[in-house]
Amino acid sequence: DTAVSQTPKYLVTQMGNDKSIKCEQNLGHDTMYWYKQDSKKFLKIMFSYNNKELIINETVPNRFSPKSPDKAHLNLHINSLELGDSAVYFCASSHSRGKSGANVLTFGAGSRLTVL
Amino acid sequence: GENVEQHPSTLSVQEGDSAVIKCTYSDSASNYFPWYKQELGKGPQLIIDIRSNVGEKKDQRIAVTLNKTAKHFSLHITETQPEDSAVYFCAADSNYQLIWGAGTKLIIKP
Repeated sequence: DTAVSQTPKYLVTQMGNDKSIKCEQNLGHDTMYWYKQDSKKFLKIMFSYNNKELIINETVPNRFSPKSPDKAHLNLHINSLELGDSAVYFCASSHSRGKSGANVLTFGAGSRLTVL
Repeated sequence: GENVEQHPSTLSVQEGDSAVIKCTYSDSASNYFPWYKQELGKGPQLIIDIRSNVGEKKDQRIAVTLNKTAKHFSLHITETQPEDSAVYFCAADSNYQLIWGAGTKLIIKP
């Protein structure tokens, strides 16, 4: 199946731990994103990579570090987890970002992170 | 920077009736306005989009209208069905990214 795949789907961990969420897309897209969705459903972009190059880096704590080993993968590593990091994290991908950001995004199913 | 406002936050309609969700944006340079539907436990999925060179676009029961002068665009769903129940997001392009509305939870009453 062609898709954006995220693992794990659920992640429950203690405060202070370090965790990673992996994302892979087999759509041949060259841009990948990480979004955070809070309990009120608000979608906030965190990072965007185009051909392994970081192009969007919104104001997120340094504890969040994206890593793109190739254009089909974009992983998210979170250090020293805090209660406020609890959310659903979505990976997405699209074809070239173009000049206007007018790209169709394909989202993964999300990874629900719960920090206790 | 761009600001996208979406209303209402929750919309409850009787099955078979129409639903309208409205968004306004602030960046006059925005040219692309997609609508995404997010079903429970899933990621958002594009359902329709419109570019600034057209005023209206339809796809079966879904339509989007755009008023660039007033900087607002709307999603219209006719003959609503139970499977239309979801959270709907509007967005506008600005500075190489999409700026998202806060979402509308659409509830279809049987």
